[in-house]
Amino acid sequence: RKEVEQDPGPFNVPEGATVAFNCTYSNSASQSFFWYRQDCRKEPKLLMSVYSSGNEDGRFTAQLNRASQYISLLIRDSKLSDSATYLCVVNEVTGSGYSTLTFGKGTMLLVSP
Amino acid sequence: ETGVTQTPRHLVMGMTNKKSLKCEQHLGHNAMYWYKQSAKKPLELMFVYSLEERVENNSVPSRFSPECPNSSHLFLHLHTLQPEDSALYLCASSQEVYADTTYEQYFGPGTRLTVT
Repeated sequence: RKEVEQDPGPFNVPEGATVAFNCTYSNSASQSFFWYRQDCRKEPKLLMSVYSSGNEDGRFTAQLNRASQYISLLIRDSKLSDSATYLCVVNEVTGSGYSTLTFGKGTMLLVSP
Repeated sequence: ETGVTQTPRHLVMGMTNKKSLKCEQHLGHNAMYWYKQSAKKPLELMFVYSLEERVENNSVPSRFSPECPNSSHLFLHLHTLQPEDSALYLCASSQEVYADTTYEQYFGPGTRLTVT
């Protein structure tokens, strides 16, 4: 069974801190990688895609290491509004040729004043 | 209405009831999905539809029966559920579902189901 593993946390950090999450995936054939964010009792929403060369979006930086099959997310200058669960997501291609997503359980981040 | 909507938002049903969950997407997407999210577990993909055709069924018990009458609407018919089926049921849509490109999935707010 293809899996995506994450530390569930919670990560408790003060405002302004830098925090990093890692995720490992088991399917070496996966080609697309994402971080989704899920607020308490809300639906998941795409935070950012993860590209092989690494990518940055404001305070958020995502990295991919294909050789080790892990993905990271770095959040700088944490805000109270960053408190959420961060889901690591990896695509799978089924035997029928369709692309589906496999989600990790998520890492909870709590940012305190 | 924009995005992906789901009704009802909350549902309590007995094990002998029959109910249906409804999902509607206003994004012009061709693929729709049902997921189950239970406490302490990752999102579990249940069904995938591409242009009203079911293309994936992830070993879901037959007490869950999906229906996709057109590319904008998706239903999940429920009957004789068990208490362990209590969970958040999320609908999602994406532009396509074919393997050459993985598209972002947009989720609805979910239906929180409690089976008593």
